[in-house]
Amino acid sequence: EAGVAQSPRYKIIEKRQSVAFWCNPISGHATLYWYQQILGQGPKLLIQFQNNGVVDDSQLPKDRFSAERLKGVDSTLKIQPAKLEDSAVYLCASSWEGGPYEQYFGPGTRLTVT
Amino acid sequence: SQKIEQNSEALNIQEGKTATLTCNYTNYSPAYLQWYRQDPGRGPVFLLLIRENEKEKRKERLKVTFDTTLKQSLFHITASQPADSATYLCALLPMNSGYSTLTFGKGTMLLVSP
Repeated sequence: EAGVAQSPRYKIIEKRQSVAFWCNPISGHATLYWYQQILGQGPKLLIQFQNNGVVDDSQLPKDRFSAERLKGVDSTLKIQPAKLEDSAVYLCASSWEGGPYEQYFGPGTRLTVT
Repeated sequence: SQKIEQNSEALNIQEGKTATLTCNYTNYSPAYLQWYRQDPGRGPVFLLLIRENEKEKRKERLKVTFDTTLKQSLFHITASQPADSATYLCALLPMNSGYSTLTFGKGTMLLVSP
């Protein structure tokens, strides 16, 4: 089966610019996750979708980050405006359902904010 | 506050030996614990899941233990190979609910030399 797809793989922007990331989860997976992974750290959950509804966005900096999942399939994560501390890898993952099911991760998008 | 601790220093072992990685947690009562492997430039890959009422879980050369009294999980790789070199992440899930979220540790890098 095809894995989780993400694009772009790399992005370099200047601070205060905006950027968007795209994720296509594994077909049939109801739950989609966006994580931020800073170098040397573990992934930190930003937002979790169940189908096209948000079930947890408690760690999403809502003044600058937004995310949507259209029709319960693809998802986009946007940062506007970007700050230097947003430099990180943004990982998308999906699973059959939420809870203890294994999560399948995409390759990530490495964002550098200068 | 909740804390997940994994050895921040890399673990260096020789091929053929058993690697043991530690995951300790505080102020947390996880119902499930997962282990993931992450290679440079890639997303994490699921390895094993263990429930709070399970003491041990095995899969091929991998073994995970879960001691809720000590608040610790140990991850063992027997007969280690250079291909096992990667960062290993533990992740905790508080309950069997689609609305509960996974919290990752920082990971421990394992280096297996020939």
